[in-house]
Amino acid sequence: GIQVEQSPPDLILQEGANSTLRCNFSDSVNNLQWFHQNPWGQLINLFYIPSGTKQNGRLSATTVATERYSLLYISSSQTTDSGVYFCAVPNSGGGADGLTFGKGTHLIIQP
Amino acid sequence: DAGVTQSPTHLIKTRGQQVTLRCSPKSGHDTVSWYQQALGQGPQFIFQYYEEEERQRGNFPDRFSGHQFPNYSSELNVNALLLGDSALYLCASSLDLMNTEAFFGQGTRLTVV
Repeated sequence: GIQVEQSPPDLILQEGANSTLRCNFSDSVNNLQWFHQNPWGQLINLFYIPSGTKQNGRLSATTVATERYSLLYISSSQTTDSGVYFCAVPNSGGGADGLTFGKGTHLIIQP
Repeated sequence: DAGVTQSPTHLIKTRGQQVTLRCSPKSGHDTVSWYQQALGQGPQFIFQYYEEEERQRGNFPDRFSGHQFPNYSSELNVNALLLGDSALYLCASSLDLMNTEAFFGQGTRLTVV
């Protein structure tokens, strides 16, 4: 099945810093999602981004499908950005599939 | 507009028992998937339901079974619980089989003792 790797596994930053999280996937996909998991376990949708670039406030994401990676950018980090960030792609690359998740990036923003 | 809702939020069961977890999809969604998330790991796909049938299944034993009702809500059943079944169980819904953007519930935290 498709493999998803995220880096870095852990990231500790000061409030106000910028960060880049990376997601590599092993096969062609026709969609990709980024999630933020809060301390209570809820997965919050950040981006649904098969290709190209999207922005939402301080967050933006870019997926380069031909090179099989996606990047999540967080600017001017706040303590509330802390948590685990996951990317996920369809199990077989596309269609009506369940999702394969990476192991996540654990982000800690210190005041 | 209610999002995906799951019940219960927490559950403690004894090894060997059976458990049923419930999920109501986001309004207008007819496809439901279930995931297991062990501590420190990413969610792992269990199975997906559409039109009351299991459409896809991940690498989980037959002890894990499910059901989807005519109103699109779903249940996850786990029989003969093992200590290793302790995890956060997440339900996700999507608009239909062709629109794969998934929205997740808050999860059910199952502890097997």
